[in-house]
Amino acid sequence: KAGVTQTPRYLIKTRGQQVTLSCSPISGHRSVSWYQQTPGQGLQFLFEYFSETQRNKGNFPGRFSGRQFSNSRSEMNVSTLELGDSALYLCASSLRQGANEQFFGPGTRLTVL
Amino acid sequence: QKEVEQNSGPLSVPEGAIASLNCTYSDRGSQSFFWYRQYSGKSPELIMFIYSNGDKEDGRFTAQLNKASQYVSLLIRDSQPSDSATYLCAVTGTASKLTFGTGTRLQVTL
Repeated sequence: KAGVTQTPRYLIKTRGQQVTLSCSPISGHRSVSWYQQTPGQGLQFLFEYFSETQRNKGNFPGRFSGRQFSNSRSEMNVSTLELGDSALYLCASSLRQGANEQFFGPGTRLTVL
Repeated sequence: QKEVEQNSGPLSVPEGAIASLNCTYSDRGSQSFFWYRQYSGKSPELIMFIYSNGDKEDGRFTAQLNKASQYVSLLIRDSQPSDSATYLCAVTGTASKLTFGTGTRLQVTL
């Protein structure tokens, strides 16, 4: 079975721009969660999507948004980028909703200049 | 108080020894507990999960859970240099979201 895939793997943007990241879960997995990982804050939960609906949300500003499509693929969008948004963005898929065993993709490394 | 706490390390153990990694959590309603391994520059990899009090063994790995003490640990027997990584403890709390500790860096020395 193919694992979780994320595109692009690396991205460089400038402040004020917006960015869209994509995640394809493991086949058969219907839940996709997104995380931000930084050296200072560690792994922080952004949101979880299940059946095309956001089911849970972390403590991030509204500039961070996401969606899920009928094939369970998910996208995450960050608008009006700030320097502090530079991070590794990870998505994780699981069979069911609610933070059971999650399997991570390779991540997208975002650098904001 | 952080929701999930881990000693950042580094924890240094000689090859062949037992590495003991510890984690405490604050949400008494937490139901599910996970250990992830993350190599430098890579994404986290799920290595163990435990839902009930007691021990769960998988190969060289043993997860231990004590809900009364709000404590979960990971033992790695016969530690190998390839076990050198950061180990992340993650807990599903009452809000049904996965909260991670900041990780313990393990170094297995020759």
